[in-house]
Amino acid sequence: GAGVSQTPSNKVTEKGKYVELRCDPISGHTALYWYRQSLGQGPEFLIYFQGTGAADDSGLPNDRFFAVRPEGSVSTLKIQRTERGDSAVYLCASSSSHEQFFGPGTRLTVL
Amino acid sequence: AQKVTQAQTEISVVEKEDVTLDCVYETRDTTYYLFWYKQPPSGELVFLIRRNSFDEQNEISGRYSWNFQKSTSSFNFTITASQVVDSAVYFCALSEYQGNKLVFGAGTILRVKS
Repeated sequence: GAGVSQTPSNKVTEKGKYVELRCDPISGHTALYWYRQSLGQGPEFLIYFQGTGAADDSGLPNDRFFAVRPEGSVSTLKIQRTERGDSAVYLCASSSSHEQFFGPGTRLTVL
Repeated sequence: AQKVTQAQTEISVVEKEDVTLDCVYETRDTTYYLFWYKQPPSGELVFLIRRNSFDEQNEISGRYSWNFQKSTSSFNFTITASQVVDSAVYFCALSEYQGNKLVFGAGTILRVKS
């Protein structure tokens, strides 16, 4: 079966631009998570969806970050007015019980 | 607040050596879950194991074994007879309860030389 997929795999943008990162979870997984991993660090939690609703968005760093999951499957992480400090690998994970299965990530570079 | 500490930033061993990766955690919850993930050079996080706070039995899976000690808040990971393919970054993580966010340690880079 297919795992978690994320697109694009790489995204280069300029400071101040808007970006969207997409996550396709494993089919049937109701829980979906976004994490951000900076170089040399562990992933940091951003937001968690249970179905269509955000159950916990306490990790979003500020109001430039927003995520949606309108039909309870695919999710999009949206970043407005990107800053150089947003450069990182953005990881998505999905889960049906306890274990979270991660996608390959999107490497975002803000120039 | 929850916290995971992996004090070893990097470990280098020679193939066939045994190696232990340390993990110490902090939480105020009585029910929690502990995890280990492997991140090879390709970048994708690979799930290795989950342990709940009520199960202190050690676990062995092939060359991998895990030692969970609630008394010292540790969840250490041992690779026996290491191989070059074990070279990766290993992350220990903690979650409060089922379905909740993971709190990761900073990771330990393991380099296995032939």
